[in-house]
Amino acid sequence: DGGITQSPKYLFRKEGQNVTLSCEQNLNHDAMYWYRQDPGQGLRLIYYSQIVNDFQKGDIAEGYSVSREKKESFPLTVTSAQKNPTAFYLCASSALGGHEQYFGPGTRLTVT
Amino acid sequence: GESVGLHLPTLSVQEGDNSIINCAYSNSASDYFIWYKQESGKGPQFIIDIRSNMDKRQGQRVTVLLNKTVKHLSLQIAATQPGDSAVYFCAELGAMNYGGSQGNLIFGKGTKLSVKP
Repeated sequence: DGGITQSPKYLFRKEGQNVTLSCEQNLNHDAMYWYRQDPGQGLRLIYYSQIVNDFQKGDIAEGYSVSREKKESFPLTVTSAQKNPTAFYLCASSALGGHEQYFGPGTRLTVT
Repeated sequence: GESVGLHLPTLSVQEGDNSIINCAYSNSASDYFIWYKQESGKGPQFIIDIRSNMDKRQGQRVTVLLNKTVKHLSLQIAATQPGDSAVYFCAELGAMNYGGSQGNLIFGKGTKLSVKP
């Protein structure tokens, strides 16, 4: 089965701790994306990567970091510098030159 | 600046009726639009897309209409079913000079569709 997996589905952390969210895809897509979704809101772009070893800031990159060492993987680290980290985080991927993005099931992060 | 917004945050329809979900956009240069469906606690799923050189595109039970004159996009769902209950998002392709989202999808806030049996 081809698709995007995110783990874990639910994640709980104490304030002040960094936490890394996993995103893996086996669709052979070049581009990958991280979005944040807050209740009743649309998706806001955090970071994206169009090719291995390269990534770009989205609209709300402050307090987050990413890496793209492999085509299949695009982990997101929520650092302690992120003021309001509690949210639903969505990872997506798209084919080179394509605009349609395929989404993972999401990770709900709660920081207390 | 660019924005993608919805005329109605919630929509309630009777099972079997047709649903129309509306979306306004502000970037007249955008040449690609897409609709997603998001069920509670899940990731968005692609429904249908349309390029600016078209004004209508049909899928299975869904039709997207694009009115470039008034910068309006709509999603029509025929014979709405309980399984259609979800939040629907429209998104447009960001213009190349629009900050962090240039060349990427910009999402609206969504419309929640509730289908009454």
